[in-house]
Amino acid sequence: AQKVTQAQTEISVVEKEDVTLDCVYETRDTTYYLFWYKQPPSGELVFLIRRNSFDEQNEISGRYSWNFQKSTSSFNFTITASQVVDSAVYFCALSRVTGGGNKLTFGTGTQLKVEL
Amino acid sequence: DTGVSQNPRHKITKRGQNVTFRCDPISEHNRLYWYRQTLGQGPEFLTYFQNEAQLEKSRLLSDRFSAERPKGSFSTLEIQRTEQGDSAMYLCASSLAAGGYNQPQHFGDGTRLSIL
Repeated sequence: AQKVTQAQTEISVVEKEDVTLDCVYETRDTTYYLFWYKQPPSGELVFLIRRNSFDEQNEISGRYSWNFQKSTSSFNFTITASQVVDSAVYFCALSRVTGGGNKLTFGTGTQLKVEL
Repeated sequence: DTGVSQNPRHKITKRGQNVTFRCDPISEHNRLYWYRQTLGQGPEFLTYFQNEAQLEKSRLLSDRFSAERPKGSFSTLEIQRTEQGDSAMYLCASSLAAGGYNQPQHFGDGTRLSIL
């Protein structure tokens, strides 16, 4: 069975602070995909990144960066110089590479509040 | 590029009534997924289609739930004899899957169901 744990229920920061959202996953598969999605108050889940378990390189996209560590089964997400528009619920998710139609198993999400 | 469209956005109904939701995926996407999200939780997988074939159903999908994708384009999710516990956000997502390479899922805005 696959499982994703996001232990941080809610994080509040002041604008321009850096913030890291934690994600720990469990799977018996040797290959898998990891994802981060953003859900703003409007409700639509917005895809941010997909990472294949083969590729342990960290990734940076603007103010966003992701740290994938297979040894600790973690896929953490850092926002640098946070902005009010970053306020949302962020979900980490896991899917199989083959089989199961790549259905996503989500964590419970981390509510990020960025204040002025 | 038109995104995933879901109708209606909100549905309020009395317990025991039947409801039907519609999802129009991104036009070239051959996979379509349904998820359910309750307050404070991540989305949970319900079912998915590849073209018109329904390939997997979650145990969450009781006999009162049925989903169709008759021509491999739009999909409908019907809930019969609604119960209080069916109150949730129902999310539809689509993705492209071809040659074993699977693209990320893109989500619609969801249909929020409230059972009175």
